[in-house]
Amino acid sequence: SQQGEEDPQALSIQEGENATMNCSYKTSINNLQWYRQNSGRGLVHLILIRSNEREKHSGRLRVTLDTSKKSSSLLITASRAADTASYFCATVVRGSTLGRLYFGRGTQLTVWP
Amino acid sequence: DGGITQSPKYLFRKEGQNVTLSCEQNLNHDAMYWYRQDPGQGLRLIYYSQIVNDFQKGDIAEGYSVSREKKESFPLTVTSAQKNPTAFYLCASSISVSQPQHFGDGTRLSIL
Repeated sequence: SQQGEEDPQALSIQEGENATMNCSYKTSINNLQWYRQNSGRGLVHLILIRSNEREKHSGRLRVTLDTSKKSSSLLITASRAADTASYFCATVVRGSTLGRLYFGRGTQLTVWP
Repeated sequence: DGGITQSPKYLFRKEGQNVTLSCEQNLNHDAMYWYRQDPGQGLRLIYYSQIVNDFQKGDIAEGYSVSREKKESFPLTVTSAQKNPTAFYLCASSISVSQPQHFGDGTRLSIL
């Protein structure tokens, strides 16, 4: 499978702590994207990082990409209860003319007040 | 506001019945997608369309059918051939393939 795989499957932290989620993938990629899903809702795009980029920031989010290890991480700093959600990574395979996304199974993040 | 609208939010299917899930977008996106999500699982691609009047099978197309007659609309039919249709179905669109996808809020399908 070309899916990304997130680690850990579940993460539980207190408000104010940082949360780190990891994603590993198997094939060379064009880009990697992180999404968030609140319970019972659709996914929301957070960040896209291209294969020639190593780090991107958006507000309290920081994404890193290590193509030599075929892995990415999503860091949420100073977490809030409202950050409670599932987080998914998705990859676009390099050289694919179809450009579809391959999603992992997600990390369930719970932030306690 | 631009976005994707899925309807209905909840749907029940009887044995042997075909049901159609609606997906409409007003984002002027060329690409549209249908995913299936089972509890604790990631998203599995059913069908996708890069442009009007064209679509391709995803990883789990058996028992499903789609049409793309208009840019704004990409309905999904769950046929009686799909023996395990109970799931959460998500529709998405993007400006073009490989770009960030915008999602609707899903349709939850159950069997009566």
